Amino acid sequence: EAGVVQSPRYKIIEKKQPVAFWCNPISGHNTLYWYLQNLGQGPELLIRYENEEAVDDSQLPKDRFSAERLKGVDSTLKIQPAELGDSAVYLCASSLEAGELFFGEGSRLTVL
Amino acid sequence: GQQVMQIPQYQHVQEGEDFTTYCNSSTTLSNIQWYKQRPGGHPVFLIQLVKSGEVKKQKRLTFQFGEAKKNSSLHITATQTTDVGTYFCADPITGNQFYFGTGTSLTVIP
Repeated sequence: EAGVVQSPRYKIIEKKQPVAFWCNPISGHNTLYWYLQNLGQGPELLIRYENEEAVDDSQLPKDRFSAERLKGVDSTLKIQPAELGDSAVYLCASSLEAGELFFGEGSRLTVL
Repeated sequence: GQQVMQIPQYQHVQEGEDFTTYCNSSTTLSNIQWYKQRPGGHPVFLIQLVKSGEVKKQKRLTFQFGEAKKNSSLHITATQTTDVGTYFCADPITGNQFYFGTGTSLTVIP
């Protein structure tokens, strides 16, 4: 069974540029999460989807971050414009209801 | 923000020594999950605890859920170099969020 797939694995951009990350969850998983992880810290939840509905986006900086989950499957996380402080690993995870989370490899963003 | 705290933040042990990390919540937890993240990797699920006072074992790893369901611990007996990584507890229910603890980074010295 395929795991959670994320792309790109690495992205280097200059500040003020846009960037997008894509996530394909495990087939059948209705819940999808986007986390941000800074070095040496735990994952911080940005947004959680139940099917196609964003049920919790309270931690998402909405002035520059946006996300969507079309048809309740794949999801995209966008940052526009990126700032230096956005450099981090962006992790996508999926689960069945509130069961164990299955994480993707992550997308490492470096903003110069 | 996060509601679960872990101690210690870092732990260095000699191979063969035991290791324990503690997870403390400000609120009563419905259940708690533990994850391990290897250096450069992503978090991987280890176990879920649901019942008050529950104890579960996975080979050299022992997980415990407190009687009041506000704390949990992970104990590793006779650490090996393969145990290196950061261990996170996670609260999957409170406020319909999925909070991760601050993590304990384990270094095993051969």
